[in-house]
Amino acid sequence: DADVTQTPRNRITKTGKRIMLECSQTKGHDRMYWYRQDPGLGLRLIYYSFDVKDINKGEISDGYSVSRQAQAKFSLSLESAIPNQTALYFCATSDDRAEGNIQYFGAGTRLSVL
Amino acid sequence: LAKTTQPISMDSYEGQEVNITCSHNNIATNDYITWYQQFPSQGPRFIIQGYKTKVTNEVASLFIPADRKSSTLSLPRVSLSDTAVYYCLVGGPGNFNKFYFGSGTKLNVKP
Repeated sequence: DADVTQTPRNRITKTGKRIMLECSQTKGHDRMYWYRQDPGLGLRLIYYSFDVKDINKGEISDGYSVSRQAQAKFSLSLESAIPNQTALYFCATSDDRAEGNIQYFGAGTRLSVL
Repeated sequence: LAKTTQPISMDSYEGQEVNITCSHNNIATNDYITWYQQFPSQGPRFIIQGYKTKVTNEVASLFIPADRKSSTLSLPRVSLSDTAVYYCLVGGPGNFNKFYFGSGTKLNVKP
């Protein structure tokens, strides 16, 4: 969904490096999410944010941190990257006014940690 | 949180109707049923959502029986471009932050 933009689209880094993945949205949604997907598997929730002042850990938050700089921006950081963090990362948003919580996803960031 | 069970994979041919059933025995009163489609290396895309009975949009239909313990996504006259992974999610107010994306159903449409 072009309304949810992730940068970079691809990133190769080395073990121990700090990297940041960025997500911005123009949908005006308050809720934002970061997911990780490993090959052949479903998505797992890393962190989520209900609004600018709210940050919550998801299923697999260890080794990650996030920053909600504004309603439209939600960044994911790997403080010291390790090879098993090689994966496809997705950002998503949803509207807190909608009961069904339909999520809208970005195109993803493919991260390789060597 | 209601976990879901769906077939790991399905095969179909172009032009056929495809029905993918999802089981969610522990669905809560306020939970919605939502289906997403994912192509390789792309983010999941919302297809359809329902609460009860039948919902239809330009892409698919969603059939939900009265007990809501299962649901069926129906894709009419599939084409090769419908080859993708389809996820069934159950959740609603109060637990949406724990939406569980399982492995989904890999639909393979053959010519």
